[in-house]
Amino acid sequence: GQNIDQPTEMTATEGAIVQINCTYQTSGFNGLFWYQQHAGEAPTFLSYNVLDGLEEKGRFSSFLSRSKGYSYLLLKELQMKDSASYLCAVRENNNDMRFGAGTRLTVKP
Amino acid sequence: DAEITQSPRHKITETGRQVTLACHQTWNHNNMFWYRQDLGHGLRLIHYSYGVQDTNKGEVSDGYSVSRSNTEDLPLTLESAASSQTSVYFCASSEGSGTAYEQYFGPGTRLTVT
Repeated sequence: GQNIDQPTEMTATEGAIVQINCTYQTSGFNGLFWYQQHAGEAPTFLSYNVLDGLEEKGRFSSFLSRSKGYSYLLLKELQMKDSASYLCAVRENNNDMRFGAGTRLTVKP
Repeated sequence: DAEITQSPRHKITETGRQVTLACHQTWNHNNMFWYRQDLGHGLRLIHYSYGVQDTNKGEVSDGYSVSRSNTEDLPLTLESAASSQTSVYFCASSEGSGTAYEQYFGPGTRLTVT
C-alpha cells in the first residue's frame, strides 16, 4: 500500500501565490495527479506528472520529484474561485490510483 | 456533449436493504471506477473495470459488488446496506489503458443508511 500526505487546510490571500505539498510512498510509481474539488461538487482534473520536473498550465503548475516521493501544486495570482479542496493522487504500476485526503484552500480578500 | 451521470443523486435507505447506484458514461471509455468519499479519508477506490465483463476489487470492496455488461454502465450494488456505508459515492471513467489518462468524475450520489 501507500501513504499520501498533504496538509489538511491552508489559507492564502487573493492575488498571492500558494504551494500545496504532497508526499507519498508507493511500491511502484506510475504517475501523480492533482484534482480540484469545490464543495459539493465532483473532482476535476488539474495536472499530471510522471517525470521529474515542473509542468505549467496557466496559473497552475505542478512539480514532481520521484526520488523524494514529493510533489507540489503551485497556484499563482489567486482568485476567490480557487477556494476549494485540492487532491493529490498517485497511480501505481498496477494502475490502481490512491488519493490523499485533500487540502482545503481558503482564499481571502 | 459526452458526459458521465449518476443516479440517484440522493438516497436514504434502511440498514439491511439492497441498494444499487447507477453510473452511465457516454464517452465510450473502457475504464470505469467507483469511489467513496468520507471526511478525513479522501477518495477510496471500491471497484473498477477495464472493459466489458471485467471487474476488480479496490481498497474498500467489502459489502459492494459491480457488474459490467456494456461499455456505458457500471452499477454499484450494496448487498446489505450498513450505517458505515453512509457516504458520498463518485463514479469515474477514463480513456484507454495509458497512465496519462485522467479520470472524469460524475456528480456524486449522497447515500444515507439509517
